Amino acid sequence: QSALTQPRSVSGSPGQSVTISCTGTSSDVGGYDYVSWYQQHPGKAPRFMISDVNKRPSGVPDRFSGSKSGNTASLTISGLQAEDEADYYCCSYAGSYTWVFGGGTKLTVL
Amino acid sequence: EVHLVQSGVEVKKPGATVKISCKVSGYTFIDYYIHWVQQAPGKGLEWMGLVDPEDGEIIYAEKFQGRVTMTADRSTDTAYMELSSLRSEDTAVYYCATDHVGDAFDIWGQGTMVTVSS
Repeated sequence: QSALTQPRSVSGSPGQSVTISCTGTSSDVGGYDYVSWYQQHPGKAPRFMISDVNKRPSGVPDRFSGSKSGNTASLTISGLQAEDEADYYCCSYAGSYTWVFGGGTKLTVL
Repeated sequence: EVHLVQSGVEVKKPGATVKISCKVSGYTFIDYYIHWVQQAPGKGLEWMGLVDPEDGEIIYAEKFQGRVTMTADRSTDTAYMELSSLRSEDTAVYYCATDHVGDAFDIWGQGTMVTVSS
């Protein structure tokens, strides 16, 4: 399994919106609606943000939203805040009870 | 409240074996898989595999097949991940996580740092 492809870095100013893409194949992202997203601050464990492409668990601000088209999933963060600065990882179910992560994207809030 | 508490820092020599524990509380242990995820320094997350605490069934990522063993002890609500034939590239933080929401990892342990060095 190859890692899903994410941009290495994205940036935006406070209040703006940013979108992080996550590209896989028809065997993972494109084949299942089981894409999830995680936020990770330095030295911390990942935090679960989105499941099933676009479902937010309780406690996650509605500024975070997910979508998918074909083999590419996306995480959009609107109304950027300083505390959103972190690494973000996508993850997809890849069949046969296996999962694959993206390489991660560093979000900088300017 | 659900908690996953992992064992502490490990320092091992090349060729050795490390065994990390992940103690679960706040839910019925056998109801959800335990997944293990590797994160090398400055690198991304990599899914290593899962264990089903109900019956011990395991699925390993290809990369770790042959060197990893995942188990679950129902008497202590604890999952274990053992990695053998350690090499410097195995230096990483290892996380356990569970999947109450089905196909995502909603609760994570705090991570266990493993350093492999001669």
